[in-house]
Amino acid sequence: GNSVTQMEGPVTLSEEAFLTINCTYTATGYPSLFWYVQYPGEGLQLLLKATKADDKGSNKGFEATYRKETTSFHLEKGSVQVSDSAVYFCALSSYNQGGKLIFGQGTELSVKP
Amino acid sequence: GAGVSQSPSNKVTEKGKDVELRCDPISGHTALYWYRQSLGQGLEFLIYFQGNSAPDKSGLPSDRFSAERTGGSVSTLTIQRTQQEDSAVYLCASSRTGQPPTYEQYFGPGTRLTVT
Repeated sequence: GNSVTQMEGPVTLSEEAFLTINCTYTATGYPSLFWYVQYPGEGLQLLLKATKADDKGSNKGFEATYRKETTSFHLEKGSVQVSDSAVYFCALSSYNQGGKLIFGQGTELSVKP
Repeated sequence: GAGVSQSPSNKVTEKGKDVELRCDPISGHTALYWYRQSLGQGLEFLIYFQGNSAPDKSGLPSDRFSAERTGGSVSTLTIQRTQQEDSAVYLCASSRTGQPPTYEQYFGPGTRLTVT
């Protein structure tokens, strides 16, 4: 079945450091890929998405590129801020499965000033 | 406009009791999803509604779990004879439609269920 694997956390960075959170997936067909973020005490919210190969999703300085050849959707940000501290979830959904999301385990990011 | 709302926000119940969790989706959203977030299992899909029908119930962990949706709006997740392993945060999400799967799902704040 479909699955998502993302790097384990927690990840601790200093402010302005470069961030990469790895995400790989297994799926039949051509899934849509997402990054969701959960800030402390808040609900899940969509950070960015990509719906076909080579698409780049971007939002709030974060980027991720849909790589079909490596089945990856790594999240990157050039300069993190303390306010980026949160748990990040990689997820996929497939056309023939009603849009349900399959999530990775989540990666906790802590950014220190 | 209003987002997805869930009630109660917290529920503590004794093992063996039944509980009902409620979800009010965003108005006009035809697709509604239930997920469960727990320490051991991460975020798991439970059930998906398109309108009032549930074409995908594959994530419900046992027959103690059931859900319904009425009027294409409010949904209720019921857990019968609760067990300690049911303790988790239950999340509801809605989207404009389940097809194609590119529409954003908007999540509610969740119901934290604790079974003692």
